[in-house]
Amino acid sequence: AQKITQTQPGMFVQEKEAVTLDCTYDTSDPSYGLFWYKQPSSGEMIFLIYQGSYDQQNATEGRYSLNFQKARKSANLVISASQLGDSAMYFCAMREDQGGSEKLVFGKGTKLTVNP
Amino acid sequence: KAGVTQTPRYLIKTRGQQVTLSCSPISGHRSVSWYQQTPGQGLQFLFEYFSETQRNKGNFPGRFSGRQFSNSRSEMNVSTLELGDSALYLCASSLGGTGNGYTFGSGTRLTVV
Repeated sequence: AQKITQTQPGMFVQEKEAVTLDCTYDTSDPSYGLFWYKQPSSGEMIFLIYQGSYDQQNATEGRYSLNFQKARKSANLVISASQLGDSAMYFCAMREDQGGSEKLVFGKGTKLTVNP
Repeated sequence: KAGVTQTPRYLIKTRGQQVTLSCSPISGHRSVSWYQQTPGQGLQFLFEYFSETQRNKGNFPGRFSGRQFSNSRSEMNVSTLELGDSALYLCASSLGGTGNGYTFGSGTRLTVV
């Protein structure tokens, strides 16, 4: 079974600074996908960024970038120029293929607080 | 285009009752997955439906069931509610093919008293 580990229960960052949220994963599948989602207090899961296991370059989406180190099985999320609105829970997830069906396996999440 | 719509947003039920939650996916998406989120267990996969067929089921008791209609809307049902069923229930919509992304709804927050 696949597993996602997020070792930082909480992180604090000053507004306008960059922050890195850690994610390590464990899988024996050669093909997999990694996602990062943001969950504000309202509850909705907001898609941020995706990295496929065969992608040659690290994914980037605006202020979000993914530091993908395949050999180390890590997929850390980097948020540049933090904003107050970035305060939320952040979840790393892996797509698990189960015989034609897929599901997401989530980490426990990291609560990010951006201070003014 | 419209996002994933979950109704109701909040629900309070009594132990022993049953509840039905609804999820309308993005137009054109044929796959709907359900997840339960609790402080203790985190996000756990409940089941996935594709073209009205359940393709996958997580490790939950038979009290948890679901279905999908021909318009891809999905419902999940929990019978004989227990206090531990209190959670945020999220549904995710997808095109269904390998490698496609998932769009989540805002969730239904169920409280069992």
